[in-house]
Order: sequence, then C-alpha cells, then structure tokens
Amino acid sequence: QVHLLQSGAEVRKPGASVKVSCKASGYSFSNYAMHWVRQAPGQRLEWMGWINAGNGNTKYSQKFQGRVTITRDTSVSTAYMELSSLRSEDTAVYFCARAYCTSTSCYYYYMDVWGKGTTVIVSS
Amino acid sequence: EIVLTQSPATLSLSPGERATLSCRASQSVSSYLAWYQQKPGQAPRLLIYDASNRATGIPARFSGSGSGTDFTLTISSLEPEDFAVYYCQQRNDWITFGQGTRLEIK
Repeated sequence: QVHLLQSGAEVRKPGASVKVSCKASGYSFSNYAMHWVRQAPGQRLEWMGWINAGNGNTKYSQKFQGRVTITRDTSVSTAYMELSSLRSEDTAVYFCARAYCTSTSCYYYYMDVWGKGTTVIVSS
Repeated sequence: EIVLTQSPATLSLSPGERATLSCRASQSVSSYLAWYQQKPGQAPRLLIYDASNRATGIPARFSGSGSGTDFTLTISSLEPEDFAVYYCQQRNDWITFGQGTRLEIK
C-alpha cells in the first residue's frame, strides 16, 4: 500500500528554520516526483515546489525561492522540505504529495498520494 | 500568477441531488486543471485531472468539464461521503489552487 509518512509537529521562533521529512513506502521512490504544498489556517492550498526523486532536480515556487530547499535521500525513500527565515505567516500544515502516474503516463504536476500533513507553528 | 476563483463559496444540497461546482481562471490554462476533495483533518484526494479525466479509483458520479478559463465539477448524485471541500488546481503556469467550495448537507 502506497503511504507517505510525515514527521511530527514543529514549533519555531521567527527567523529560525524547519525541516520536514516525508518517508515513502509501497512504491519505487525514485520513479516519482514529490511535491510540497502548504495550507495556512483557513487558506487555500499553496504549492511550494517539487523534486524529481530520481535525479534530484528541483523546482520552486517564486514565492518561496531562496527560502525553501527540497532534497531527497533515496537510500531511505525520504523527501525533505526545509524552510528558512520563518515568520508568523509560515504557520501552516505542510503536505508532501506524490506526483500522479497511471499505468501508462505520468502527470507530474498533479498529486495523488498525500501525507497527513505536518503542522508548523511559528511563534515568539 | 494565474488566479483560480471558485464558486459558489458554499453549496448546500441533499444526498441524491446533483452538485455543480465552478472554477474560473484569470487566464487560459488550456485543459490543465484538476479537482481535489478534502475532508476535515485529511489530506486532499485527486478526483479529476486534465479537466475531464477521472483519477484512478474515483467513482463515475464525479465528472469534470471545461477548457480555457471555465471549468465545472459535477457530482451526479450526492452520497453522504461527498460532503467536503473541493479545490481546483491549474498546472499550466506553475501550480496554483482555488480557494475552495464547501459542499455541505442541507
């Protein structure tokens, strides 16, 4: 069964960094891309970026460029999202989500399997 | 950035009724639009991709249509488990989401 297990909730002070992990199981990790999406309280979903788990290539939303770093470790089938220079507006639930593939094609910019989310609270 | 605007904000219907949800893009996204369902405390679930294709395992009562700037998600006959928030997402220019439509039980 395909599953994405995210790390637990985090509390950080403004200006700090946070690193969230997403461990994949039930599929070949390197064959899929992984996205990171966040949802602030009462707000719409917001795409942050993605990583090609096979070759490690990344693409980031312009909004987060320079503050977000997405990496992966294929030896443990885990993707990571690190967000720096945190501010209160970064308080949100952070999701990892696998890119959608059918038996014949991959649709890299849609997401089918999602983690349960990691709550990050930024507060002084 | 392409802005997606969903309407209505809230839709109140009864089980068995037909639901029609709208998503309008600030500029053309061709057919590169998806719909997701999200229940409280859960992650989103992909329903429709490329405007009209049902994702794997999605029941046939869910259908999508549209192209360019105007899109529709239709649920032909509402089941109790369909009451949730629905988001559209475009992938034509980066990735953005709509603000959601809450489908509630009347």
